[in-house]
Amino acid sequence: KAGVTQTPRYLIKTRGQQVTLSCSPISGHRSVSWYQQTPGQGLQFLFEYFSETQRNKGNFPGRFSGRQFSNSRSEMNVSTLELGDSALYLCASSLDGPGIAGELFFGEGSRLTVL
Amino acid sequence: AQSVSQHNHHVILSEAASLELGCNYSYGGTVNLFWYVQYPGQHLQLLLKYFSGDPLVKGIKGFEAEFIKSKFSFNLRKPSVQWSDTAEYFCAVYGNNRLAFGKGNQVVVIP
Repeated sequence: KAGVTQTPRYLIKTRGQQVTLSCSPISGHRSVSWYQQTPGQGLQFLFEYFSETQRNKGNFPGRFSGRQFSNSRSEMNVSTLELGDSALYLCASSLDGPGIAGELFFGEGSRLTVL
Repeated sequence: AQSVSQHNHHVILSEAASLELGCNYSYGGTVNLFWYVQYPGQHLQLLLKYFSGDPLVKGIKGFEAEFIKSKFSFNLRKPSVQWSDTAEYFCAVYGNNRLAFGKGNQVVVIP
């Protein structure tokens, strides 16, 4: 079966701009989680969506937001970009949620560079 | 919220050497524990997991991990590494409705 697909894979923005990243989960998976990965900081949890509802949220400012559609596809948005937002943004899907029944399936990520 | 600590962020070792990566977490409730691996140029994938039962769990590629509840630890081990084990390894803990990751261990195996 097809894996988790993230688009775009690479993008460059300037400070103050906003960006939208997309994630298509594995077919049948209802939970989508987003993580920010930076060197030395590992993966930091952004939020998790399940059946179009945000079920959990990490400690990121309100500039980071997301949503999930009825087909389980998810988007995350970062407004008013800052240099420190440069990172690899990972999306992961699972049947019922991270850690509940098994593993997360990760996409290859969207690498955002903010200049 | 729970936190996860991984020590020795950079590990360099020769083939056939033994590997042990430490993972400690802080959370007092019931947890599910995971190790994920990210090979160069690839996406993160599950190495092994612990939910309950035998605290010694075996994963893919000869890896195993031991859950010691009293020490809040879930250390990863492999008796004899190969060059193909070069990767970044992440410990993750599920508790309080969220999955938290450690900062990772970058492991380089020299042929």
